Amino acid sequence: DAGVIQSPRHEVTEMGQEVTLRCKPISGHNSLFWYRQTMMRGLELLIYFNNNVPIDDSGMPEDRFSAKMPNASFSTLKIQPSEPRDSAVYFCASSLGTGSYEQYFGPGTRLTVT
Amino acid sequence: KQEVTQIPAALSVPEGENLVLNCSFTDSAIYNLQWFRQDPGKGLTSLLLIQSSQREQTSGRLNASLDKSSGRSTLYIAASQPGDSATYLCAVSQGNTGKLIFGQGTTLQVKP
Repeated sequence: DAGVIQSPRHEVTEMGQEVTLRCKPISGHNSLFWYRQTMMRGLELLIYFNNNVPIDDSGMPEDRFSAKMPNASFSTLKIQPSEPRDSAVYFCASSLGTGSYEQYFGPGTRLTVT
Repeated sequence: KQEVTQIPAALSVPEGENLVLNCSFTDSAIYNLQWFRQDPGKGLTSLLLIQSSQREQTSGRLNASLDKSSGRSTLYIAASQPGDSATYLCAVSQGNTGKLIFGQGTTLQVKP
C-alpha cells in the first residue's frame, strides 16, 4: 500500500488567495483526520470524518477553513482567503475506524502564505 | 481540558545508551495512548499504541508503559542507535472518537 498520499507537498501563495490541500487515505480506512502543525501550537486536530461524514470540526480555526470528503478515497482542506498566520504543515491521517486504531499519517503539505 | 506534556524537550545521548522519554497527561480518563516518531520534514510514524486497559506494549527495542492513575507514560528505547534520532511525540485519545491530543515532543539525538 502506498500509505496516505497528500498533495501538494509544498505550497507558496500570497495572502488572499484560495488554497486547496488534497488527501488520499489508505484504502479500506474509514476514518480521516486533518491536523495542523506549527512551532507555537504543535499538532492540532482540525476536523475528522468517519465513513465520509464530518464528525467533529471544532478544531477548524475560522470560517475561512472548510473540508470535504466526497468519497472514501479523497478529501480536501480549503482555505479561502488565506492569511500569513495559516502558514504551517498540514497533515492528513487515516485509520480503520475511530477508537482503538492506529492513525497513519501522510507526509504533510508545507503551506507558506506571504 | 486535557493537556499533554513531554519532558525533556530535547535529549542528546551517546550511541548504545538505554533511555527513557516521558509523557504526562492531566485527565486520566483516556481511551488509549500512542507514541509516534517524526523525522525532520516528514510525517508521523506510529510506534506503539497502548489501550487504557493495558500496562505496556513492546516492539523490538521499544517498550512503552502506561500508568493511567498517575497520568504518565514512558517510552523506553534500548541500546540507542544514531538512526533513532528523531522527534518522539505522545498523544492521548479521549473517548471512542479517535481524536488525538498531542504533546510537544522530545527531540532525541543519538551521537555515534
